[in-house]
Amino acid sequence: AQSVTQLDSHVSVSEGTPVLLRCNYSSSYSPSLFWYVQHPNKGLQLLLKYTSAATLVKGINGFEAEFKKSETSFHLTKPSAHMSDAAEYFCVVSDPGGYQKVTFGTGTKLQVIP
Amino acid sequence: EAQVTQNPRYLITVTGKKLTVTCSQNMNHEYMSWYRQDPGLGLRQIYYSMNVEVTDKGDVPEGYKVSRKEKRNFPLILESPSPNQTSLYFCASSLSGYSYNEQFFGPGTRLTVL
Repeated sequence: AQSVTQLDSHVSVSEGTPVLLRCNYSSSYSPSLFWYVQHPNKGLQLLLKYTSAATLVKGINGFEAEFKKSETSFHLTKPSAHMSDAAEYFCVVSDPGGYQKVTFGTGTKLQVIP
Repeated sequence: EAQVTQNPRYLITVTGKKLTVTCSQNMNHEYMSWYRQDPGLGLRQIYYSMNVEVTDKGDVPEGYKVSRKEKRNFPLILESPSPNQTSLYFCASSLSGYSYNEQFFGPGTRLTVL
């Protein structure tokens, strides 16, 4: 069985400071991992994904995440927050197999203070 | 433009009145899925479809029906809606059901059942 835990439901940062959104996963296999972003009143958009290639994954808008198998983590980072980064972020785990069984985290709301 | 569309975007209805939320994608994707999003719970999968005429239950299928008669369409049917189905619903599609494929999400349908 797979699961995913987003360790913070809310994160608040000042504009221009680093962002860290934490995600831990549990999987019996080598999973695929995703980060999606949801801006207010919008659908979800893919930020980045890990699928067993490079452990440091770069995504859109300056975000990146590092897959750490020993720590079962896939934390999302950005060196400098922008006001437009204010949104809700979801970490998603998907076990390999013939069909897409995905599990979403409960989300982290990022607030960016001017 | 490649997209997933949902209609309606907003719907207020009463208990027991059958309704259908439509979902359509123009990317020739094989896999489609429905989710509901509730505060603090993230997204939970209702039903998914690997291809035409192939559907299966997700984590929270009770009270919902789906059909996949055409590749591009995947409607969600609530035969007798109840207040606990008040939620934000998302349709998503991906190229295939393999775990490494990202999903593309529609804009969401906010449903209120009185």
